[in-house]
Amino acid sequence: GAGVSQSPSNKVTEKGKDVELRCDPISGHTALYWYRQSLGQGLEFLIYFQGNSAPDKSGLPSDRFSAERTGGSVSTLTIQRTQQEDSAVYLCASSFLLGGASTDTQYFGPGTRLTVL
Amino acid sequence: AQSVSQHNHHVILSEAASLELGCNYSYGGTVNLFWYVQYPGQHLQLLLKYFSGDPLVKGIKGFEAEFIKSKFSFNLRKPSVQWSDTAEYFCAVNVNRDDKIIFGKGTRLHILP
Repeated sequence: GAGVSQSPSNKVTEKGKDVELRCDPISGHTALYWYRQSLGQGLEFLIYFQGNSAPDKSGLPSDRFSAERTGGSVSTLTIQRTQQEDSAVYLCASSFLLGGASTDTQYFGPGTRLTVL
Repeated sequence: AQSVSQHNHHVILSEAASLELGCNYSYGGTVNLFWYVQYPGQHLQLLLKYFSGDPLVKGIKGFEAEFIKSKFSFNLRKPSVQWSDTAEYFCAVNVNRDDKIIFGKGTRLHILP
């Protein structure tokens, strides 16, 4: 596609429910990132997929968060048993790796605004 | 682990004023540095980036940034801001041995017309 797309654009859920957020990266981009953007907290790194390598999960805040990337393309971020502090905008970005390192530009999607009541 | 500090959380300037937004990172090795911008209601987009070579990098819309290795800094500058520069600016760093890109907390810039 023309850019990174994310769905849904908005998600309101009740505390304790599970949610799935989807990211479609730019075709051909081998690197995919998930970030969380909260007011006053900037962009918090969550997880990074690089080609077929094991993902870097070092930013996931708890074991309620998980993500997968199927077929090296679409990614799904799952939050189990949502809490009110999970409310944020979840951003996905993709890039084309150059020389095995993420030195190239990241292209961001519009984000999913998650509200946990 | 590497980190990025943006000391100015909210900056208010009048049009035509000069701008400098601070960014410091904590890593002693080779780094790649970025500034991203998010205009109101829009996606994050790249403003400029530094990988190697000339430490003074020029980006879009008249922005530039200077990499000063001895100060672990990558400050963003613009000699004369415009109302349309109102946005949130994020500094980011990528370390060669670790591919993830880490962002600072951002600086909200508000330009008064």
